Amino acid sequence: DVKVTQSSRYLVKRTGEKVFLECVQDMDHENMFWYRQDPGLGLRLIYFSYDVKMKEKGDIPEGYSVSREKKERFSLILESASTNQTSMYLCASSLAGQGASTFGSGTRLTVV
Amino acid sequence: GEDVEQSLFLSVREGDSSVINCTYTDSSSTYLYWYKQEPGAGLQLLTYIFSNMDMKQDQRLTVLLNKKDKHLSLRIADTQTGDSAIYFCAESMDTGRRALTFGSGTRLQVQP
Repeated sequence: DVKVTQSSRYLVKRTGEKVFLECVQDMDHENMFWYRQDPGLGLRLIYFSYDVKMKEKGDIPEGYSVSREKKERFSLILESASTNQTSMYLCASSLAGQGASTFGSGTRLTVV
Repeated sequence: GEDVEQSLFLSVREGDSSVINCTYTDSSSTYLYWYKQEPGAGLQLLTYIFSNMDMKQDQRLTVLLNKKDKHLSLRIADTQTGDSAIYFCAESMDTGRRALTFGSGTRLQVQP
């Protein structure tokens, strides 16, 4: 069964900390995505990557960065966590040229 | 810009049909998707429809697309308590963006 695995289900971090959210997929997908999900707002795209070492900004990239050193792994970095980054973070992947994405189970991040 | 809109909440009785509606603004959408999110889980692809189709049926699910009105609906026949979840409509376009644009999600509550 194909999988997108996010390293943590729940995280609590302090304001100002540097936070790493990890995502690994085993499907040899070219595209990987990070979304955040907030009630009433749906999913909003933070960053995506269509190849190793390639990245593009999504709709809400401010306060975030990403890293894709290997095809299977896509990391989301919060350089200095703030309380307004408390959210559910969802990683997804897809084949090149395909829109349908496979999602991970999500990481619920709380910044205190 | 792209915009996908859904109503936030729908309540039905077990055994009834559910109809979840979605409107989108971008006429260049090529695929439209329905995802399901159960509590505490990631998103699961339910079904999708290509923009040159007007209907797709898959067991209890029927997707209707009115391209002229940019309206998409998901009908669930014989709704069960296990169908209680958040349902997201999403669109993708044949552009380099590759990411999906999601609606805010419709919470379906099925009452016994």
